[in-house]
Amino acid sequence: EVQLVESGGGLVQPGGSLRLSCTASGFTFSNYAMNWVRQAPGKGLEWVSSFSSSGTNTYYADSVKGRFTMSRDNSKNTLSLQMNSLRAEDTAVYYCAKDSGRVIPTARFDFWGLGTLVTVSS
Amino acid sequence: QSVLTQPPSASGTPGQRVTISCSGSSSNIGSNAVNWYQQLPGTAPKFLMYNNNQRPSGVPDRFSGSKSGTSASLAISGLQSEDEADYYCAAWDDSLNGVVFGGGTKLTVL
Repeated sequence: EVQLVESGGGLVQPGGSLRLSCTASGFTFSNYAMNWVRQAPGKGLEWVSSFSSSGTNTYYADSVKGRFTMSRDNSKNTLSLQMNSLRAEDTAVYYCAKDSGRVIPTARFDFWGLGTLVTVSS
Repeated sequence: QSVLTQPPSASGTPGQRVTISCSGSSSNIGSNAVNWYQQLPGTAPKFLMYNNNQRPSGVPDRFSGSKSGTSASLAISGLQSEDEADYYCAAWDDSLNGVVFGGGTKLTVL
């Protein structure tokens, strides 16, 4: 059974940093692209970033480019999102999502975690 | 303002057929497959439809998808109360080099 468990969310002040993690199980992690998707309170889904299976290629939404960095450790089945220079508009539930694409990211997110809430507020 | 455009709401009575549209451009829907997600209240999104009209295992055949040019649609036939949810379309965008979502459609079963 595929499982994705996010952690690391919490309350942070504007301008601060936070690191999210996603631990994966139930599939061969190194074979699939992985993604982060967020959802602000009462709003729709917003794609944040994607990572190819090898870790060679990363893709970011313009809204987070230069502030967020995605990484993965295929030996530990872990995906991370380092978030710096956080703003109030980054407040959201952050979901880790497995891509059904084996190498490069697609928009086919076949499994999702339960999400972790990030609140940016003073 | 989402790159893909969906109606904010849709509704139907039990047993009816409802359709949700998703409009994009040549750089996303026009050149890439469309995928759909269902988000029940208070839960994480669920993979509902991929490659325009393919259903993942476990999704009832009441759900169907189609694409034409730069638009796509999701149809739900035999509407049931448990179908009440938010529905999102998504596609890769070649110009933005990333994934774009629609703003979501809240489906109400009357």
